[in-house]
Amino acid sequence: NAGVTQTPKFQVLKTGQSMTLQCAQDMNHNSMYWYRQDPGMGLRLIYYSASEGTTDKGEVPNGYNVSRLNKREFSLRLESAAPSQTSVYFCASSPRGAGVSYEQYFGPGTRLTVT
Amino acid sequence: KQEVTQIPAALSVPEGENLVLNCSFTDSAIYNLQWFRQDPGKGLTSLLLIQSSQREQTSGRLNASLDKSSGRSTLYIAASQPGDSATYLCAVTNGGATNKLIFGTGTLLAVQP
Repeated sequence: NAGVTQTPKFQVLKTGQSMTLQCAQDMNHNSMYWYRQDPGMGLRLIYYSASEGTTDKGEVPNGYNVSRLNKREFSLRLESAAPSQTSVYFCASSPRGAGVSYEQYFGPGTRLTVT
Repeated sequence: KQEVTQIPAALSVPEGENLVLNCSFTDSAIYNLQWFRQDPGKGLTSLLLIQSSQREQTSGRLNASLDKSSGRSTLYIAASQPGDSATYLCAVTNGGATNKLIFGTGTLLAVQP
């Protein structure tokens, strides 16, 4: 099992450009998440998808959109990148349902710089 | 609002020492608590998960304890090795519809050979 995979690993954008970060998991998990990690701020939730077909905002959703393409894939889109979106982005997944631990598994991250 | 604090922010120990990392949280109504390891420039690796009904979990040289009523967890690392050098993060979740993790800002551990 590859677990949670993310592409690309690194990206540099100019202000105003758009891009989509891709995430896929092969653990048959229902729930998927996007977090960003900034120095001194820890990890914060951007968006999540409790199950296929549903998405909801987290703590810091402004400037982002998401798509839960199917059970495996959850993408994060920056429509018009801003320097404040320079960060490391992590995708995670977890099982969901009665009796499960809700343990979250993380991908390797995408390091994004917006100039 | 749930807040998670980790003390100390950084720790340097000689190889072979036993050490304790601390995590505290303000709202005791948690579903579980996870300890993660993060190496520089890398993703998060889950080390241990403690359910709210549990008091501790063990994996190899690692032991994590949970005292929900006092809002505290500790990660005990026995016989530390240079390969243990990393940032250790704790995070709590309340389960429910979101199951979002609330993270502390981590403890940067350096184990000197």
